[in-house]
Amino acid sequence: QVRLQESGPGLVKPSETLSLSCSVSVSQVPGSSYFWGWIRQTPGKGLEWLGSIDYTGQLYYNESLRSRITISVEASKNQFSLSLTSVTAADTAVYFCTRQASRYYGIDFWGPGTTVTVSA
Amino acid sequence: DIRMTQSPPTLSASVGDTVTLTCRASEIIDNWLAWYQQRPGKAPKLLIYKASGLESGVPSKFSGSASGTEFNITISGLQPDDFGTYYCQQYSDFPFTFGQGTRLQIK
Repeated sequence: QVRLQESGPGLVKPSETLSLSCSVSVSQVPGSSYFWGWIRQTPGKGLEWLGSIDYTGQLYYNESLRSRITISVEASKNQFSLSLTSVTAADTAVYFCTRQASRYYGIDFWGPGTTVTVSA
Repeated sequence: DIRMTQSPPTLSASVGDTVTLTCRASEIIDNWLAWYQQRPGKAPKLLIYKASGLESGVPSKFSGSASGTEFNITISGLQPDDFGTYYCQQYSDFPFTFGQGTRLQIK
């Protein structure tokens, strides 16, 4: 059973950088055909896919965030991370880290989610 | 981006009922569609992949179907555990996109 766990500050100031990490319970980063990604959820916009990194290191970003988002992997730590720059109140959300078993599969594992509030 | 539209937004049903939720894609997605259940305060849980594939460990009371750009999930013999919000998601093309959800509540 794979477990994902998000970690990072729950409060970020406007214009600063939101940084989150996701710890994976077993040595799967990198591995097989997995896609590791980030999704956020707000009451207003619902579930929003932010981006993914695949087992080759190929990155896929939501174009709406492309200038602000970075996803990276730290394989030695079984972790991957999200960085979102120049945040505003619109970035306040519950952030989930995720695993997708392959490109053409659903998102089969999710972290429990972490709430990030952007406020001065 | 591909738009996913779910209906109805809310559905009230009783324990034991069978219900069908619908999701429509704004363009052809070749059945690259997943369904998720989300309970309050929890992460979504994958139920169905590729429109009709049952995720491992998910009971067979859940079934998915597809016709063109319209997709359904049917839940039979509703139990208290089945209530929550259901989302569809297309993964045919980036960015992956989700429907707004159908909230299934107890009548």
